[in-house]
Amino acid sequence: EDQVTQSPEALRLQEGESSSLNCSYTVSGLRGLFWYRQDPGKGPEFLFTLYSAGEEKEKERLKATLTKKESFLHITAPKPEDSATYLCAVQDPIYNQGGKLIFGQGTELSVKP
Amino acid sequence: ETGVTQSPTHLIKTRGQQVTLRCSSQSGHNTVSWYQQALGQGPQFIFQYYREEENGRGNFPPRFSGLQFPNYSSELNVNALELDDSALYLCASSLGKVRNTGELFFGEGSRLTVL
Repeated sequence: EDQVTQSPEALRLQEGESSSLNCSYTVSGLRGLFWYRQDPGKGPEFLFTLYSAGEEKEKERLKATLTKKESFLHITAPKPEDSATYLCAVQDPIYNQGGKLIFGQGTELSVKP
Repeated sequence: ETGVTQSPTHLIKTRGQQVTLRCSSQSGHNTVSWYQQALGQGPQFIFQYYREEENGRGNFPPRFSGLQFPNYSSELNVNALELDDSALYLCASSLGKVRNTGELFFGEGSRLTVL
């Protein structure tokens, strides 16, 4: 069964304290791994797409990397405004039409000043 | 560019009732997906509509149904509400059917509470 597991469930950091979030996936034929950010009471906001092992994407203080079994979201020198839930998802390999993503349960990041 | 808008933002129903949630897709997007997000969980795929036809469904019973209109807006209907249906319902729009990039544009959701 295709699965996405994120760890830790919650992470508390001090401002400036770098760390990483993990996303492990089990899918038969990866067609794309996606990172989203979700603020409380809002819908998820797209951050990155990664397609193949070794690929990296960066945006401000965030860098996403991909291996054959997991992805990491590295947060360098985080600020309080980076506080949010970060969701990882893979595209369903059977569902050919796109739009169906399998999400992990998310990592809730809190950055204190 | 108009984003994805959903209505209502919050609603309370009782068991057995029916509910309709509405979504206007982002300008130019012809595909709408619906997701259910329980508290503390990631979103779960309900179904997707492309050019007014259901185009794939997740593990949800038939009492979850939907529509897409010619202007690509969409509705999610849930009959015979159960307590476990309490969740945030998210609508996401995207452009295209095949080889979707996974970049979905989500609305802010409709928070449904079933008592």
